[in-house]
Amino acid sequence: NAGVTQTPKFQVLKTGQSMTLQCAQDMNHEYMSWYRQDPGMGLRLIHYSVGAGITDQGEVPNGYNVSRSTTEDFPLRLLSAAPSQTSVYFCASSHLEAGANVLTFGAGSRLTVL
Amino acid sequence: LAKTTQPISMDSYEGQEVNITCSHNNIATNDYITWYQQFPSQGPRFIIQGYKTKVTNEVASLFIPADRKSSTLSLPRVSLSDTAVYYCLVGAENYGQNFVFGPGTRLSVLP
Repeated sequence: NAGVTQTPKFQVLKTGQSMTLQCAQDMNHEYMSWYRQDPGMGLRLIHYSVGAGITDQGEVPNGYNVSRSTTEDFPLRLLSAAPSQTSVYFCASSHLEAGANVLTFGAGSRLTVL
Repeated sequence: LAKTTQPISMDSYEGQEVNITCSHNNIATNDYITWYQQFPSQGPRFIIQGYKTKVTNEVASLFIPADRKSSTLSLPRVSLSDTAVYYCLVGAENYGQNFVFGPGTRLSVLP
């Protein structure tokens, strides 16, 4: 049981390049989400999904795309990287059921845009 | 979602009990209170969750007064390894899509 797996752990991009951050979970969680965390700051929600085929925007969605074709995977795409997207990205998942939900986080992906 | 307010930072010494209070004046009837811990260069991890009164596990205790407008995370006899950022979140199952993290409380444990 690996939990939430993020790849790559580190990535350096040039301005204007595109890339995809991968997130996979093996806990059959319905809910998945992406956060970014800038130095010394809290986490800000980028996009989330409550099930395959369903996605929605969070606080800071501009410049990012997501899709959810399977329950397990929730990739985050940067369409045209900008230096302002330099950050650490965390993927998280949880069940959606009666009672409060607890998020399980991945180890993070550190992205630098030059 | 109910907005939360926590102290930005706290200092403590090894062996002391640390209490971090979170204010959530607009908490809704169905909302639970959940605390996460984040070490540098790691993702947050769940510590404790409660709805009312007191909850205790092997890591911490969570005290919630009757009006539920605040909650207090209590860490007994902290050690250097408890140095981390602690986040308080308030929400319910219908809001699973909208976990919003504030800046959290940066706890520094000194020797």
